[in-house]
Amino acid sequence: DADVTQTPRNRITKTGKRIMLECSQTKGHDRMYWYRQDPGLGLRLIYYSFDVKDINKGEISDGYSVSRQAQAKFSLSLESAIPNQTALYFCATSQISGSGELFFGEGSRLTVL
Amino acid sequence: GESVGLHLPTLSVQEGDNSIINCAYSNSASDYFIWYKQESGKGPQFIIDIRSNMDKRQGQRVTVLLNKTVKHLSLQIAATQPGDSAVYFCAETPSGGSYIPTFGRGTSLIVHP
Repeated sequence: DADVTQTPRNRITKTGKRIMLECSQTKGHDRMYWYRQDPGLGLRLIYYSFDVKDINKGEISDGYSVSRQAQAKFSLSLESAIPNQTALYFCATSQISGSGELFFGEGSRLTVL
Repeated sequence: GESVGLHLPTLSVQEGDNSIINCAYSNSASDYFIWYKQESGKGPQFIIDIRSNMDKRQGQRVTVLLNKTVKHLSLQIAATQPGDSAVYFCAETPSGGSYIPTFGRGTSLIVHP
């Protein structure tokens, strides 16, 4: 089983719909992240959480919200999806110390029509 | 309308050749530098990291070189194999405890048999 699991893996939705992407991890890490990947633009940070009571905005948080339900669970919501939110979304975890190495899930591909 | 992504820098090599993937970073205060490999349909995976007080680190078939004078990082892959075909990202992690990495755009490595 994967250490970082994302659901759904693929989702097609319509403009204006509310979407939730879920992430769960079995690595026991305190830190969790949501990244967005667009072709040719690398990985951009949406939100991150250093523990259950900590939520921080990343560089592209507008239009997104998150919830850290437990140490192992971190969900990303699009309250009203728009077409330019079509992208590949990755959840990641890391330890508190060390190099900051991230452990990524397999990704959730979201298409907004 | 259709969105057009940026083209990734691409490196094409023959199987058995050595590959060198380059990355320029921006923050002279970064503490760690990490290379990730992303295969098609998967999340990025850690390859190797190097701390800012080092200029070279070797792993299995991979070597990372760090030139702090010109803020340049490179990943050398020896005897490149078809399984090395992927997108490679460099990431820099700042000092000070936040450990929030910033990713480069990525380089696509294509290995021809």
